[in-house]
Amino acid sequence: RKEVEQDPGPFNVPEGATVAFNCTYSNSASQSFFWYRQDCRKEPKLLMSVYSSGNEDGRFTAQLNRASQYISLLIRDSKLSDSATYLCAARSDSNNRKLIWGLGTSLAVNP
Amino acid sequence: DVKVTQSSRYLVKRTGEKVFLECVQDMDHENMFWYRQDPGLGLRLIYFSYDVKMKEKGDIPEGYSVSREKKERFSLILESASTNQTSMYLCASSLWQGAPGNTIYFGEGSWLTVV
Repeated sequence: RKEVEQDPGPFNVPEGATVAFNCTYSNSASQSFFWYRQDCRKEPKLLMSVYSSGNEDGRFTAQLNRASQYISLLIRDSKLSDSATYLCAARSDSNNRKLIWGLGTSLAVNP
Repeated sequence: DVKVTQSSRYLVKRTGEKVFLECVQDMDHENMFWYRQDPGLGLRLIYFSYDVKMKEKGDIPEGYSVSREKKERFSLILESASTNQTSMYLCASSLWQGAPGNTIYFGEGSWLTVV
């Protein structure tokens, strides 16, 4: 089992839809988690960090469920510009330096 | 804003050549990382450094070496480039362990093609 797993998608949704992705992690000692957005042929950029129960930023909400060991990302009122790959990462090493990455979930928002 | 700069964005090298990829960050971050990213394989850590002259192997160090002589600069070296090292290389940096929210910031990437 991979340490961080994501459904690769693709998720195809119409503009204005609400879409949610989940990311499961295997290391119960992980303390902090991150959602990154990556556009095609670009570098990943931080979207949100999660290290308590959840975090909200505008149309984006990230939730952490420690009991079931997953984090989620909810996007409300999807825009065409939300089309991207969303990467999940967990901070896992004993010195809290490295991130363990999922393979990403692809989202396409259609007009 | 954090700035991580990869000076070489697009390179084409021949098999067997020695390749240097340079990365500079301007935020006095202790940690620096080199990843490669390939379709279907995601981000894979090659090496990271948590201090000047310190380095640790990541998940796929074979065929690579690194150098960190100054805090702001972290170089990735391909001693003898091979075609299977054709990839997008991403440099990143972060603060020391500290607060749980410390995150990683990436450079724009270096696209290397080995022919």
